[in-house]
Amino acid sequence: NAGVIQTPRHKVTGKGQEATLWCEPISGHSAVFWYRQTIVQGLEFLTYFRNQAPIDDSGMPKERFSAQMPNQSHSTLKIQSTQPQDSAVYLCASSSRDWGQDTQYFGPGTRLLVL
Amino acid sequence: GDSVTQKEGLVTLTEGLPVMLNCTYQTIYSNAFLFWYVHYLNESPRLLLKSSTDNKRTEHQGFHATLHKSSSSFHLQKSSAQLSDSALYYCALNNNNAPRFGAGTKLSVKP
Repeated sequence: NAGVIQTPRHKVTGKGQEATLWCEPISGHSAVFWYRQTIVQGLEFLTYFRNQAPIDDSGMPKERFSAQMPNQSHSTLKIQSTQPQDSAVYLCASSSRDWGQDTQYFGPGTRLLVL
Repeated sequence: GDSVTQKEGLVTLTEGLPVMLNCTYQTIYSNAFLFWYVHYLNESPRLLLKSSTDNKRTEHQGFHATLHKSSSSFHLQKSSAQLSDSALYYCALNNNNAPRFGAGTKLSVKP
């Protein structure tokens, strides 16, 4: 079991550029979650998918952030026109079921730095 | 909406002293699951312990927590802190909606 895989591990972009972050959940897991981690805000929920369908994106900044899960083996988080305040560690997690009691397994994160 | 509060951003302790990290939550659902995740430097966050049973102590790796629905609390405790316990600790709430995490408490254990 390789665990949740996230690529790239580090990304540096210039202000206004686009950043795409990739996540490969644990095989067989049906729920995928995206979080943003900062020192000030802690772990902020962004969005999640169940069986590839978007369920809740209430944490996503509406204008520039989008997430997709085109197949069961990967999900992407895209940030358009990146801004310095988008600098953070973006974590992906997966769980085997959707309902509340299941443990989430986190990837190593992508550290995004917007200059 | 649901929320989780961890009032201490940083807890600094001397090795051997007891640990208590506070977690309180708000939810309208009676079937909430509460979790503690630990995030060591240069690793991924991982589950430390979880519970949904009122007034039942849950233990793992020397840590314990008891869910008290009457006070909406799920405090994390350990009898004796070790240097290796230094990490970021997140309390989280799941209840079939989007999971909610607290802001995290950084535990720093000194010799």
